[in-house]
Amino acid sequence: NAGVTQTPKFQVLKTGQSMTLQCAQDMNHNSMYWYRQDPGMGLRLIYYSASEGTTDKGEVPNGYNVSRLNKREFSLRLESAAPSQTSVYFCASRTGFGYNEQFFGPGTRLTVL
Amino acid sequence: EDQVTQSPEALRLQEGESSSLNCSYTVSGLRGLFWYRQDPGKGPEFLFTLYSAGEEKEKERLKATLTKKESFLHITAPKPEDSATYLCAVQAGTGRSQGNLIFGKGTKLSVKP
Repeated sequence: NAGVTQTPKFQVLKTGQSMTLQCAQDMNHNSMYWYRQDPGMGLRLIYYSASEGTTDKGEVPNGYNVSRLNKREFSLRLESAAPSQTSVYFCASRTGFGYNEQFFGPGTRLTVL
Repeated sequence: EDQVTQSPEALRLQEGESSSLNCSYTVSGLRGLFWYRQDPGKGPEFLFTLYSAGEEKEKERLKATLTKKESFLHITAPKPEDSATYLCAVQAGTGRSQGNLIFGKGTKLSVKP
């Protein structure tokens, strides 16, 4: 049971380049989330998917798009990267029923030059 | 507005010196309060969920408590391996953030031998 996996672990982009961050979970969870973590800011929600086939904006969605590919996979795309998107990105999942915790992946450290 | 404030920002303890971390919150209809531990370069690791005032949960040297306005994470006789950043999050039951987690900025704990 790998839990939540993320690829890549590290990435350096130039301003204007695009990339997709991948996330997969093997816990049969319904809900999946994308966060960014910046020094002094805490974890902030970018997008989430409450169930397969649905996606919704979180607190900081500008400059990002997401795709819930299937129940296991939830990707985050940066179409035209900006230095302000330099951050550590975390994917999380939870069962989606009742009150329960989110389980986090190991993160992707992204630098935009 | 839903909000979570953690204090102190940083805490340095000697091994064996017990202390408490504070998490105060304002949220529309609390559905749950969560404590996570985060080691450098890793994703948050779930510790506890608390659902109602008066509830307490324990795990090894950690004990979490909840009132109507705040939660405490008590650390008894800490060891150097307890050094980490501890994150508090609340799940709102109503309003714009309904169902999602709102995180505090964390308390960085250092335990010296």
